[in-house]
Amino acid sequence: NAGVTQTPKFRVLKTGQSMTLLCAQDMNHEYMYWYRQDPGMGLRLIHYSVGEGTTAKGEVPDGYNVSRLKKQNFLLGLESAAPSQTSVYFCASSYKTVNEKLFFGSGTQLSVL
Amino acid sequence: GIQVEQSPPDLILQEGANSTLRCNFSDSVNNLQWFHQNPWGQLINLFYIPSGTKQNGRLSATTVATERYSLLYISSSQTTDSGVYFCAVAYNTNAGKSTFGDGTTLTVKP
Repeated sequence: NAGVTQTPKFRVLKTGQSMTLLCAQDMNHEYMYWYRQDPGMGLRLIHYSVGEGTTAKGEVPDGYNVSRLKKQNFLLGLESAAPSQTSVYFCASSYKTVNEKLFFGSGTQLSVL
Repeated sequence: GIQVEQSPPDLILQEGANSTLRCNFSDSVNNLQWFHQNPWGQLINLFYIPSGTKQNGRLSATTVATERYSLLYISSSQTTDSGVYFCAVAYNTNAGKSTFGDGTTLTVKP
């Protein structure tokens, strides 16, 4: 039981390049989330999904797209990376209801030059 | 939306000391969680505690929902307790739409 797994762990992009971050969970969770964490701050929600085939915007969705084609996977895409997207990205998952714990992946450090 | 304030922002302790971290929130919540982010960046869920008191080893947490605050107690601190402690709250929404505080950075010196 690996929990929540993110790939890659580190990535450096040039401005304008695209990339996809992959999140996989093996806990059969319905809900999955992508967050970003900037220095000295808490986590901010980018996009989330309440089930296979669904996605919704979070607090800071601009410049990102997501897809949830399979229940266990949640992909975060950057179509044209900008230096403002330099951050640490975390994926998380939880069961269906509001009264559930969040489980996080180990994060992806992304630098956009 | 709900505002979350954590205090103190930074805390330096000598190994073996006790500490109390505070989380204030601006509205009713039915989901409150405490997380520890270790120096390698990993986020570990410490407690799910929308109300009441829980204990797990040297750590315990108390949430007084009616007064809109939660406390995290660390006793006999160890260097491995170093890192950032986050409080996250949510109301009538799924757990992942929680609002996070800015965290308390704890440094435990040997």
